[in-house]
Amino acid sequence: GQQLNQSPQSMFIQEGEDVSMNCTSSSIFNTWLWYKQDPGEGPVLLIALYKAGELTSNGRLTAQFGITRKDSFLNISASIPSDVGIYFCAGPSNFGNEKLTFGTGTRLTIIP
Amino acid sequence: NAGVMQNPRHLVRRRGQEARLRCSPMKGHSHVYWYRQLPEEGLKFMVYLQKENIIDESGMPKERFSAEFPKEGPSILRIQQVVRGDSAAYFCASSPGGQAYEQYFGPGTRLTVT
Repeated sequence: GQQLNQSPQSMFIQEGEDVSMNCTSSSIFNTWLWYKQDPGEGPVLLIALYKAGELTSNGRLTAQFGITRKDSFLNISASIPSDVGIYFCAGPSNFGNEKLTFGTGTRLTIIP
Repeated sequence: NAGVMQNPRHLVRRRGQEARLRCSPMKGHSHVYWYRQLPEEGLKFMVYLQKENIIDESGMPKERFSAEFPKEGPSILRIQQVVRGDSAAYFCASSPGGQAYEQYFGPGTRLTVT
């Protein structure tokens, strides 16, 4: 089945630093979604991407839909404590079905 | 403008008992999805329903698990004769359907089987 690999698996940064993470797939995706999950909570949708090459921002977050349609990137600028959590990429299957495949996640920790 | 609601938030069952998890989608959303998450892992798709119809249940175990989304009321994920391996967080998501692939998640139900 489809698999989404995220890197890095975890990140330890200082407040104020910029963050970059990516998500790669062995197959083409037509939509990329980025979610953030806090401990004990459900994933919260951050950004949705629908076109190859598309660059979309949501506040300090910017995500890009890779040209090959097999990858996507998420950047966070000037990180703050509430950015701590696990970030997941996700995408619907290629067969017109709406079920989402989730990536392996990137855990972001801010060092005091 | 309420989001996706799930209850209970925490559920403890002994082995062999039944677990019923409820999900009310966002207002105006007619598509419901259930996902399971084990600790330190991503979410895994279980089942996709529209009102009174199961569209895709390819991620749901064939035995002991069932799901419904009746014409009236919440969607229910039912696990019969629970085993320890069923302990996980179960998330429900909803979407308006069509070409909108954006799914909005509830807070989850954490099932613990003792």
